Formats: sequence, structure tokens, C-alpha cells
Amino acid sequence: NAGVTQTPKFRVLKTGQSMTLLCAQDMNHEYMYWYRQDPGMGLRLIHYSVGEGTTAKGEVPDGYNVSRLKKQNFLLGLESAAPSQTSVYFCASSLQESGANVLTFGAGSRLTVL
Amino acid sequence: GQNIDQPTEMTATEGAIVQINCTYQTSGFNGLFWYQQHAGEAPTFLSYNVLDGLEEKGRFSSFLSRSKGYSYLLLKELQMKDSASYLCAVRDSNYQLIWGAGTKLIIKP
Repeated sequence: NAGVTQTPKFRVLKTGQSMTLLCAQDMNHEYMYWYRQDPGMGLRLIHYSVGEGTTAKGEVPDGYNVSRLKKQNFLLGLESAAPSQTSVYFCASSLQESGANVLTFGAGSRLTVL
Repeated sequence: GQNIDQPTEMTATEGAIVQINCTYQTSGFNGLFWYQQHAGEAPTFLSYNVLDGLEEKGRFSSFLSRSKGYSYLLLKELQMKDSASYLCAVRDSNYQLIWGAGTKLIIKP
């Protein structure tokens, strides 16, 4: 099982450029999440999805858009990248929301915006 | 606001025991999680507490006191591979996870 796969692993953008991060999971999980991780801060939720065709805003959604057209895929888009979006992005998925809900994370995507 | 506090960094000796504390102030409580994250890698699940008390899993144990808003992760018989960051996360009343900044644990021989 591959688990959660993120692509690309590394990317350098110039301010104003756009890009899409792809997350794919093969565990048939309903819930999927996009987080960003910055030094000295906890993981912050950008957007999440509770099922195919649904998306919702998290703690820091500004400047990002998401789509979940297929259950196994969750895409994170940056329409006009800014230096403040330099971060490590993690996708995660889970089977359910309650109980001992364990998140399975992807390996991360390191994005640098110049 | 919601807040999770953990020490930024701790150092311990191989073979010893270390306790990593986590205090939280959140809007409601629906469980506390500990994750391990090696440098440059993804976080991986270690433990889950929803009731007061100690949960033991091999060399790792996690304790919760809901009345004190406090948890700790206890690592016994430390190994060099335990060098990592340990993330505390609390699920609030809206079932959102609030994450601490993590504790970087350095193991010395």
C-alpha cells in the first residue's frame, strides 16, 4: 500500500506564479486535509474535505483553493504565489472524524516562493 | 484563543527515560494525540487519550488529566532512533485538531 502520496516533493516558484499540489490516497479514506508546517509553529489546517465533492475552509485558507473531484485525490492550488506561502505542505487522510481518528500523512511538499 | 504548549527542545541520554509535557487550553475536548516526526519526514501516530489516565504502548506511554488540561508522553529505554520531534494535538469541540509546535528531542550517546 502506498498510503498517502504527494507530488511534487519540492518546488520553487516566483511571486505571482500558480501551481497545484496533488495528494492521492489508496486507503478509501473519507476525510482528507491539507496542512502547512512552518518553523516554531504547529501544523495549521488550510482546507479539508469530508468526502468526494466536498471542501471546507480550515484555519488559514486565504490564498489557496482545493478540489476533491475523486474520493482518492485532494488538490491544493495556489493561484498567485506569495513569499508568505513558503512552507512545507502536508496532506493527510483519515477514515473518520471521531474516536481514535488517526491521520495518515504524506511525505510533504517543500515549496519556496521567491 | 486555543493554545497548546510544549517545550521547544529537550535532551536526554540513550537508555534513559524522558517525559515530554503538553498543556492545552481549547474550546472543548474530544481527545489528545501524540505524533512523532523525524526530521524531513511526515508525522506518524503514537498515541491517543480521551479518558484520564495512562495509556501504555511498549516503550511509550501517554498520560492525560482533563481537569488540568495536561498530558505527557513518557519514553523509556531511549534509543538513538527516538531522536525526533514529538507533536501534541488536541481535538476541540468542533472536531478540529489543534497542534502544538512540537518538542525536538535530542538523544545523546
